[in-house]
Amino acid sequence: DQQVKQNSPSLSVQEGRISILNCDYTNSMFDYFLWYKKYPAEGPTFLISISSIKDKNEDGRFTVFLNKSAKHLSLHIVPSQPGDSAVYFCAASDGQGAQKLVFGQGTRLTINP
Amino acid sequence: KAGVTQTPRYLIKTRGQQVTLSCSPISGHRSVSWYQQTPGQGLQFLFEYFSETQRNKGNFPGRFSGRQFSNSRSEMNVSTLELGDSALYLCASSLVDGGAIAKNIQYFGAGTRLSVL
Repeated sequence: DQQVKQNSPSLSVQEGRISILNCDYTNSMFDYFLWYKKYPAEGPTFLISISSIKDKNEDGRFTVFLNKSAKHLSLHIVPSQPGDSAVYFCAASDGQGAQKLVFGQGTRLTINP
Repeated sequence: KAGVTQTPRYLIKTRGQQVTLSCSPISGHRSVSWYQQTPGQGLQFLFEYFSETQRNKGNFPGRFSGRQFSNSRSEMNVSTLELGDSALYLCASSLVDGGAIAKNIQYFGAGTRLSVL
């Protein structure tokens, strides 16, 4: 039972354009969502998060949107840069087990020059 | 401030052996969580320790265990290794302040790559 799904295993975007990564979840108890970026041979690096009481959170080039009714969130990267090429993971937690993150399978983003 | 440190980075063991992995959290962080990453199952939560007590546990067999010391450093042990235990084991630490959700963000180490032959 995959509670957090990233349906696109890979995404290729041209440098300077917008990258949009999507994530769906099934557990309505999830109330906190995070995006992590992972380079090979490194651990995941925290990017941005959003609480279920919000529908948007912005940090520089990164914006996360949350649609609770659709149980869907997305990460927008504008403009995309070559250094953004990595695997992106969506993760979710519920208030009870805030330290227990449920991860999606990841999306490999490639930014082409 | 130093990040999360995991040792060793790479490990090769044979079936039936046991292994201990170590994690030093970011200074001041009191919660340590462990995850297993495999190509087939992705990143899966193993367990979380806070103040030397296991607070959350994932769906893994009893062969997987852990502990946390008074300085918040944590170890994870896998006994009677199986081929399917080959994975990247990631440790994450977080500040855990009851007030601010932002302080519950987990910061990951680089992981220990375990190969079971």
